[in-house]
Parts: sequence; C-alpha cells; structure tokens
Amino acid sequence: DAGVIQSPRHEVTEMGQEVTLRCKPISGHNSLFWYRQTMMRGLELLIYFNNNVPIDDSGMPEDRFSAKMPNASFSTLKIQPSEPRDSAVYFCASSSLEGQGPDTQYFGPGTRLTVL
Amino acid sequence: AQSVTQPDIHITVSEGASLELRCNYSYGATPYLFWYVQSPGQGLQLLLKYFSGDTLVQGIKGFEAEFKRSQSSFNLRKPSVHWSDAAEYFCAVAGGGSYIPTFGRGTSLIVHP
Repeated sequence: DAGVIQSPRHEVTEMGQEVTLRCKPISGHNSLFWYRQTMMRGLELLIYFNNNVPIDDSGMPEDRFSAKMPNASFSTLKIQPSEPRDSAVYFCASSSLEGQGPDTQYFGPGTRLTVL
Repeated sequence: AQSVTQPDIHITVSEGASLELRCNYSYGATPYLFWYVQSPGQGLQLLLKYFSGDTLVQGIKGFEAEFKRSQSSFNLRKPSVHWSDAAEYFCAVAGGGSYIPTFGRGTSLIVHP
C-alpha cells in the first residue's frame, strides 16, 4: 500500500485566496483525521470522519475552514479565505476504528501551507 | 478529559548513550497509550502502543516503553541511541469511550556524534 497520500506537499498562497488540501487514506480504513501542526500550538485535531461522516469538528478554528469526505478514498480540507495565521503543516491520517479500541493512526507526509 | 504531558521540550544525548523520554498522562481508567516518532519533513509513525497486558511494551527500532499506573507514566526508552534516532517524539493517550488520541507537545531528540 502507498500509505496516506496528501497533495500538494507545499502550498504558497496570498492572503484572501482559497486553499484546498487533499488526502487519500489507506484503502480499507474507515476513519480519517485532519491535523494542524504549528510551533506554537503543537499538533491539533481539526476534524475526524468515520465511515465518511464528520463525527467531531470541534477543532475547526472557524467558519473559514471546511472539510468534506465524499467517498471512502478522498477527503478535502478547504480554507476560504486564507490568512497568514493559517500557515502550518496540515496532516491527514487514517485508521480503522472498529469499536474495540483505538487503532494505529497512519499519517501522510503533510502539506506545508504558507499564506503571505 | 484525557491529557498528556511531555515535560522535556528538548533532549540531547550522545550517540551510543541510553535514552529515556518522559510521558505523563491524566485519565481515570486504564488508558490506551502510544508513542509516535516524526522525522524532519515527514508525518508521524507509530513506535509502539499499550492497550493492556504486559506493562513493558516493545516497539520498532529498538524502542520500548513501560506503563506505570501508580505514576501515570509511559516513558520511552532505548538502550543505545543512533544518530538516525534524531527526531520529534510524541506521546498520545486515548480512552473513556473516545478512541481519538490526545497528543502531547512532543520532545525533540538531538543526537551528538
């Protein structure tokens, strides 16, 4: 398996522009997570999906952030409009949550976002 | 709510020396505990996990961790560090019906030759 795939790996954009980050989870995994990592705040969970349904989006910073999972093999995280304080590394992770306890999360390589 | 503390932001060791990274958690019942490693420019990778049973857990790359309920700790150890172990290490805890782990702030390991 290729692991969790994220694109783009790097994104530089200007304040006010729309940014879309993409994630392909590991085939067969039923849960997907979006994280944001910064020096100031560490690793923050933004949202997670189970069986393509958003379960907890309490970590989404504000209405400028939105996430979708139209099918089991694809998810997007969109920021509109983007602001300089959104600059961070965004990780996608997937796992199998089967009700017997937490499973290992498999992380993608991340997208480094810079908003000028 | 569960929480995890990694008291050391940075740890510096010489290659070949032993290593112990500290992790303290806050959770009422038996937690699920994890250690992940993040190499520069990469995502996190699982080193080991504890769910139940033997409190000494073996992981990949020669790492081990010991669950001590009395101390609410899950410290990571390695007897002899290699230069390639230089990375960021994250402890995480889950439990209480929530299978979503809470991550610590991480400890940066620096290895001197």
